[in-house]
Amino acid sequence: DAGVIQSPRHEVTEMGQEVTLRCKPISGHNSLFWYRQTMMRGLELLIYFNNNVPIDDSGMPEDRFSAKMPNASFSTLKIQPSEPRDSAVYFCASTRGGEQFFGPGTRLTVL
Amino acid sequence: GENVEQHPSTLSVQEGDSAVIKCTYSDSASNYFPWYKQELGKRPQLIIDIRSNVGEKKDQRIAVTLNKTAKHFSLHITETQPEDSAVYFCAASKGDSNYQLIWGAGTKLIIKP
Repeated sequence: DAGVIQSPRHEVTEMGQEVTLRCKPISGHNSLFWYRQTMMRGLELLIYFNNNVPIDDSGMPEDRFSAKMPNASFSTLKIQPSEPRDSAVYFCASTRGGEQFFGPGTRLTVL
Repeated sequence: GENVEQHPSTLSVQEGDSAVIKCTYSDSASNYFPWYKQELGKRPQLIIDIRSNVGEKKDQRIAVTLNKTAKHFSLHITETQPEDSAVYFCAASKGDSNYQLIWGAGTKLIIKP
């Protein structure tokens, strides 16, 4: 298995633009997590899906953030409109219980 | 709500010495406790984990101990090497869930040559 796949790996955009981050979990994993990591705030859970259903989105910062999981092999995290304070590394992780496997992350820079 | 506290935030040890990182958790229902290592610019990766029915687990130079009564667990690295330099995160399962984790803030481990 190729592991958790994320795209793009790097994204530079201007304030106000829409940003879409993509994730393909490991086949057979039924839970998927979106995390945000910054120096100031550490590793934050944004949203968690189980069997494609959002279970806990209490970490989503505000209405500008939305996430979907239309099927077991694909999820998106969208930011609209983006702001400079959204600059961070966004990780997707998947699990079937126990160990969470992280993707390589997307480094987002909002100018 | 559920909380995991991790100490210290930075730890500097001489190469060859031991390093200990400690975490406490608040939810007595937590039953799964993993430790992740994140090297600079890389993704977090699991290095060792322990479940609540076990008090200690060892894997070569790495060991984890769990005290359920006190609700704390620790990571022990012996004979530290330069490649051990990284940020280490502890986590605890949320309640009795086998999926969601509550994360510590991380410890930056520096190995001095």
